[in-house]
Amino acid sequence: NAGVMQNPRHLVRRRGQEARLRCSPMKGHSHVYWYRQLPEEGLKFMVYLQKENIIDESGMPKERFSAEFPKEGPSILRIQQVVRGDSAAYFCASSPRLGGTYEQYFGPGTRLTVT
Amino acid sequence: DAKTTQPNSMESNEEEPVHLPCNHSTISGTDYIHWYRQLPSQGPEYVIHGLTSNVNNRMASLAIAEDRKSSTLILHRATLRDAAVYYCILRDNAGNMLTFGGGTRLMVKP
Repeated sequence: NAGVMQNPRHLVRRRGQEARLRCSPMKGHSHVYWYRQLPEEGLKFMVYLQKENIIDESGMPKERFSAEFPKEGPSILRIQQVVRGDSAAYFCASSPRLGGTYEQYFGPGTRLTVT
Repeated sequence: DAKTTQPNSMESNEEEPVHLPCNHSTISGTDYIHWYRQLPSQGPEYVIHGLTSNVNNRMASLAIAEDRKSSTLILHRATLRDAAVYYCILRDNAGNMLTFGGGTRLMVKP
């Protein structure tokens, strides 16, 4: 059973370009979470999705950021018009069900560098 | 989710046991105690979790105080590969996201 997969692992974008980060959850997991880790800072929750639905986006910046988890295919985190402050590691996690007793499994992350 | 308090850093010698403490004095009755760790340049990794009773798995043991206001993650024999930041996180039964604090940076000396 493959783990959570993220691609690309490294992404370089110039200011103003768009960044698309992909996450394939573990097989059988329908709950996907995105987290961001800014340089020398802790991990911060961004958004929680189930298939075709955004459940909680309380951690998402209000502008330029969007996320989706379509019926078929990976979850996508999209950042429009990137700025230098978007440079960070973005981690995706998945879990089989909702609730405190279920662990989350993390991918290796996408490291975004904005030049 | 309720707040947890952990020491910023700890040191251990290789092949010795390590006890990583976590205080969570405001824990509620339905909060699960989760531990994750993050090795350098990697994504977080689930370690163990529990509710009331002590728990063991292949990675570690979790000792939970009787009043549940504190817990201790126990690595029975630290290896160099265990050098990481360890996070103690409380999750209620409706919890979705994980709220990461600063964690404890564990350094393992050969």
